[in-house]
Amino acid sequence: GEDVEQSLFLSVREGDSSVINCTYTDSSSTYLYWYKQEPGAGLQLLTYIFSNMDMKQDQRLTVLLNKKDKHLSLRIADTQTGDSAIYFCAEAYGATNKLIFGTGTLLAVQP
Amino acid sequence: DVKVTQSSRYLVKRTGEKVFLECVQDMDHENMFWYRQDPGLGLRLIYFSYDVKMKEKGDIPEGYSVSREKKERFSLILESASTNQTSMYLCASSWAGGYNEQFFGPGTRLTVL
Repeated sequence: GEDVEQSLFLSVREGDSSVINCTYTDSSSTYLYWYKQEPGAGLQLLTYIFSNMDMKQDQRLTVLLNKKDKHLSLRIADTQTGDSAIYFCAEAYGATNKLIFGTGTLLAVQP
Repeated sequence: DVKVTQSSRYLVKRTGEKVFLECVQDMDHENMFWYRQDPGLGLRLIYFSYDVKMKEKGDIPEGYSVSREKKERFSLILESASTNQTSMYLCASSWAGGYNEQFFGPGTRLTVL
């Protein structure tokens, strides 16, 4: 079945760049998403990328998409303590409106 | 702003009790979803509804049922709660169509004793 994989944990120092990686399985996904979950809260959309794009930049965030390898990454420049959260990638499942979420990556930012 | 609200942030129930989790959205979204979130497992879809009175099973529907009598409200029902249903439950909604960003509620942390 469909599976979206992420590493579970990433630790960086404040001011460094963070790179969170994701591999997905459905090559027909039109959109791929990155969500952020702060402690005790629901998920919030951080950014998304359309499948015909290779890269999308939004302030400190850069999303890279490698469709051949089905690999998605999120780079956060100048990581701050407020970026500490769980980050989920998600792909749209075929022609449905369902999303398949990865396991989530806990980003810990050390001061 | 889209708002998705859930009836409780924290809930403690006993084994065998019937449990209702309510979710309301205010953006006239066609789609509504119930997920459970467990550490290391990410979000798993329990049920999905694409219209009033319409529902579709997700990946882990066993032990759960849902109700959608009005477009803005989607209820998750645990007919007889069990300890392995202790989890964080997240509701989400989205428009139908190609761009299917889901908007999430704050979650309900359910503990079954």
